[in-house]
Amino acid sequence: KAGVTQTPRYLIKTRGQQVTLSCSPISGHRSVSWYQQTPGQGLQFLFEYFSETQRNKGNFPGRFSGRQFSNSRSEMNVSTLELGDSALYLCASTSGTSVETQYFGPGTRLLVL
Amino acid sequence: DQQVKQNSPSLSVQEGRISILNCDYTNSMFDYFLWYKKYPAEGPTFLISISSIKDKNEDGRFTVFLNKSAKHLSLHIVPSQPGDSAVYFCAARVEYGNKLVFGAGTILRVKS
Repeated sequence: KAGVTQTPRYLIKTRGQQVTLSCSPISGHRSVSWYQQTPGQGLQFLFEYFSETQRNKGNFPGRFSGRQFSNSRSEMNVSTLELGDSALYLCASTSGTSVETQYFGPGTRLLVL
Repeated sequence: DQQVKQNSPSLSVQEGRISILNCDYTNSMFDYFLWYKKYPAEGPTFLISISSIKDKNEDGRFTVFLNKSAKHLSLHIVPSQPGDSAVYFCAARVEYGNKLVFGAGTILRVKS
């Protein structure tokens, strides 16, 4: 079974720009969660989508948004980028029945200059 | 507000010895705790978990202990191997769902 794939793997943007990251879950998985990892902060939950609906949301500003398509692929968008948005963005997919079966992708490394 | 804390940023252990990674939490509503291991350039991978109604769970060389009264959990790795060198994250779940709250991670170095 193919794992969770994230594109692009690396991205450089400048302040004020917007960015869209993509996540393709494992085949058959309907839940996709997004996390932001920064040094010293660990992973912070952004949001979770299940069957195209946002099921859970973290404490991030409205500049961070996401969506899920009918094939379970998910995108997250960050508008008006700030320097502090530089981070590793991780996507995780699960079949929805157990959090233990949550599989993470390799992440997208975003650098905001 | 860090609800899950890993107070040791790093830990160095000799091969063959025990590695003990610690995690403290503040939210009594957490019902499930998990440990993840992360290598550079890879996403975290699930290692072991424990329900809040248990106090111990074992899987091979890995054992997780939960002390609810102290709001503390620990991961024991015995014996430690060089391949265990990675960043270890403690995570907790608030009731049903897939939302996890993570600690900041502990870098484990196992020296041969």
